[in-house]
Amino acid sequence: AQKVTQAQTEISVVEKEDVTLDCVYETRDTTYYLFWYKQPPSGELVFLIRRNSFDEQNEISGRYSWNFQKSTSSFNFTITASQVVDSAVYFCALLDSNYQLIWGAGTKLIIKP
Amino acid sequence: KAGVTQTPRYLIKTRGQQVTLSCSPISGHRSVSWYQQTPGQGLQFLFEYFSETQRNKGNFPGRFSGRQFSNSRSEMNVSTLELGDSALYLCASSLEGARIRDTQYFGPGTRLTVL
Repeated sequence: AQKVTQAQTEISVVEKEDVTLDCVYETRDTTYYLFWYKQPPSGELVFLIRRNSFDEQNEISGRYSWNFQKSTSSFNFTITASQVVDSAVYFCALLDSNYQLIWGAGTKLIIKP
Repeated sequence: KAGVTQTPRYLIKTRGQQVTLSCSPISGHRSVSWYQQTPGQGLQFLFEYFSETQRNKGNFPGRFSGRQFSNSRSEMNVSTLELGDSALYLCASSLEGARIRDTQYFGPGTRLTVL
């Protein structure tokens, strides 16, 4: 079965701290795609990154970075020097072999000023 | 480029009624997918439309249906509403759809409350 697990339901940190959101996935496919989306209180899901199973390079975009490790089936997301505007629910998702996005339960991130 | 738009943003209905939600994709995008988001079940895939044809369907009863028009705009219909249909309904568009692993871009959602 294909599955995405985000074990951290809620994380609360003080502004400027670094924070890592965990994502563990299960799939029997050899080719698959992983995504991270951010959902602010407004409700819209904002695309952050997409990674295919052949590309294990880590990605950095400003304060955001992603660590993809096939050996541990993990695709973790780190925010460096967090800001209040980073407060949101973050979702990890796997595009399965039926071409459907399988979503994690989400991690609610609270950044306190 | 304008993003994905959804109308209405909020809707209140009573049990047994039916509802139609609308989604306009990003210009040039031909695929539209619909998702239901609830606190209990999280995000769940409803269906995907591409070139006016339903290309994929999630595990929802037949009360949930949709269609896509020639301009790629899509509507979703829920008949005989139940209390459990209260949810945020999200629409996402992509250029060619999930079959080529396209990235999906989401609209702000329609929050449906069933009383």
